[in-house]
Amino acid sequence: DIQMTQSPSSLSASVGDRVTITCRASQSISIYLNWYQQKPGKAPKLLISAASSLQSGVPSRFSGSGSGTDFTLTITSLQPEDFATYCCQQTYGTPYTFGQGTKLEI
Amino acid sequence: QVQLQESGPGLVKPSETLSLTCTVSGGSISSYYWNWIRQPPGKGLEWIGYIYYSANTNYNPSLESRVTMSVDTSKNQLSLKLTSVTAADTAMYYCARATYSGGHYYFDFWGQGTLVTVSS
Repeated sequence: DIQMTQSPSSLSASVGDRVTITCRASQSISIYLNWYQQKPGKAPKLLISAASSLQSGVPSRFSGSGSGTDFTLTITSLQPEDFATYCCQQTYGTPYTFGQGTKLEI
Repeated sequence: QVQLQESGPGLVKPSETLSLTCTVSGGSISSYYWNWIRQPPGKGLEWIGYIYYSANTNYNPSLESRVTMSVDTSKNQLSLKLTSVTAADTAMYYCARATYSGGHYYFDFWGQGTLVTVSS
């Protein structure tokens, strides 16, 4: 299985900050990498597919980059609604695997 | 707008079979991969497997011996069966649609999830 490791596991930030979350794959996955946002008690919401493709309706303050084994999710100018858990997912091969999540706290 | 809704017993006894249904509304089951994912309390997401509308399946090897997925296109429903459950199978179970676009899969629609507790 391809292991996905996120860092940090948790992150404290303030409204207006810029934050970066990293996801590392245990082998090269090209750009087969998606990012999701999950709020407590809710299903994950797709933010970015193919490493950098922003989904329709997702604010432009979210961006993704990377290829191969190293990927980043960047949120510029944090808004109150952005405080949530973020996780990455590889779809390079089955079993599809997720990172353990990064909890973004105020 | 596509909506997914999981349903099934919230409590299952150890060694018994967990059975869940996912009802899809607002769109067709055809031409998509339909996934089951679970999340133990306080932990990360684990992909259980997918079923294509044509009934082709792909299961996580870690669960393959205990998992069966099926699809009923006439009812727009998916089902998941997990046999011989233990406390380790206690989790929120989600169904999610995977869309294939530009060579990439992504899970664009998710159900709200259903919590299944394994306990006697």
